[in-house]
Amino acid sequence: AQSVAQPEDQVNVAEGNPLTVKCTYSVSGNPYLFWYVQYPNRGLQFLLKYITGDNLVKGSYGFEAEFNKSQTSFHLKKPSALVSDSALYFCAVRARGANNLFFGTGTRLTVIP
Amino acid sequence: SQTIHQWPATLVQPVGSPLSLECTVEGTSNPNLYWYRQAAGRGLQLLFYSVGIGQISSEVPQNLSASRPQDRQFILSSKKLLLSDSGFYLCATRVGGPSTDTQYFGPGTRLTVL
Repeated sequence: AQSVAQPEDQVNVAEGNPLTVKCTYSVSGNPYLFWYVQYPNRGLQFLLKYITGDNLVKGSYGFEAEFNKSQTSFHLKKPSALVSDSALYFCAVRARGANNLFFGTGTRLTVIP
Repeated sequence: SQTIHQWPATLVQPVGSPLSLECTVEGTSNPNLYWYRQAAGRGLQLLFYSVGIGQISSEVPQNLSASRPQDRQFILSSKKLLLSDSGFYLCATRVGGPSTDTQYFGPGTRLTVL
């Protein structure tokens, strides 16, 4: 069975500070891992993914995520938060060979000016 | 690159009325297509997916159905809407092979059932 946990419903961070949005997963075998961002009343936008190779993945808008196999985690990070980063963030996992993504419940990030 | 269109963008329907939401995809052929529902601005629930014309897999038994009459067209329907059908409906497509595989989402349809 596949599952994704985003343990924080809400993350608040001051503008200019580093941010981390946490994600842990459970899947059989090696996973495909994804981060998406959603702005109000919009569809999800793809940020980045881990398929294979380097554990540190860089994506859109200065975001990056680190795949940690031993901790089954894929936390999203950014060195310096912007107010415009405020949005809902989703982590997702797909087992290799599967058709579907499993999404976490989302973390609402608020960057305080 | 692919583009996903959804319409209508918003819809208000009375309980018991029928529903038809449409999703079309440009820029790719023979895509995997997905319908998700998002309730209360949080988690996504996979409703249906399709790997080809006429092929529909249902993930959650409920008041909705899906059809794929053409390669790049995916329709979500209901004969009689329930209050619980309210939500934000997202169509998605999966693009790429094993090393580039990514799912992309359309702009969504917000459905309110009154």
